[in-house]
Amino acid sequence: GAGVSQSPSNKVTEKGKDVELRCDPISGHTALYWYRQSLGQGLEFLIYFQGNSAPDKSGLPSDRFSAERTGGSVSTLTIQRTQQEDSAVYLCASSLGQGVSYEQYFGPGTRLTVT
Amino acid sequence: AQSVTQLDSQVPVFEEAPVELRCNYSSSVSVYLFWYVQYPNQGLQLLLKYLSGSTLVESINGFEAEFNKSQTSFHLRKPSVHISDTAEYFCAVSNPGGSYIPTFGRGTSLIVHP
Repeated sequence: GAGVSQSPSNKVTEKGKDVELRCDPISGHTALYWYRQSLGQGLEFLIYFQGNSAPDKSGLPSDRFSAERTGGSVSTLTIQRTQQEDSAVYLCASSLGQGVSYEQYFGPGTRLTVT
Repeated sequence: AQSVTQLDSQVPVFEEAPVELRCNYSSSVSVYLFWYVQYPNQGLQLLLKYLSGSTLVESINGFEAEFNKSQTSFHLRKPSVHISDTAEYFCAVSNPGGSYIPTFGRGTSLIVHP
């Protein structure tokens, strides 16, 4: 079946512009996660959803970052007034439930470059 | 708080040689441990995990990792690597009593030469 998909695969934007990154999880997966992978760094947790609600937003680096999930499916990560330090690969993952016994399935990521 | 240290950013090896990718963690409570693999231009995939029980865990493609509580390590090993094992490998830790969201290391790039 289809895996987690993300769009766009690559995004180049100018400093100060807003961007939207999209994640389509595996059908039926109730939990959805956003991570950021910067060059030479590990994965940095941003936010996770259980259904449409976000119990944990602790990883969002600033109020320029926001995310929503609708219909328990598609999620959008929005970065306002982008800065060069926002350049990274943004990864989305989904799982059947929230807990260690539920494997996270990752998408291929969106590579964001802020010029 | 928990953290993960992957001591090597890059490990070059020749095909059919053995390899060890090192991972050390710190946590004040019990842990779950994971290795993920990211092949070029693909998303991360779970390679293996330790939750409880036997401290030696294996993957279907010949990798194994051993949980060593006294040394707070979870090193990944393979006795004979293939070209196709070339990838980025991430070690991760989470806590049973927490939200299960793992903390990832910075990754080790395994480069297998013919």
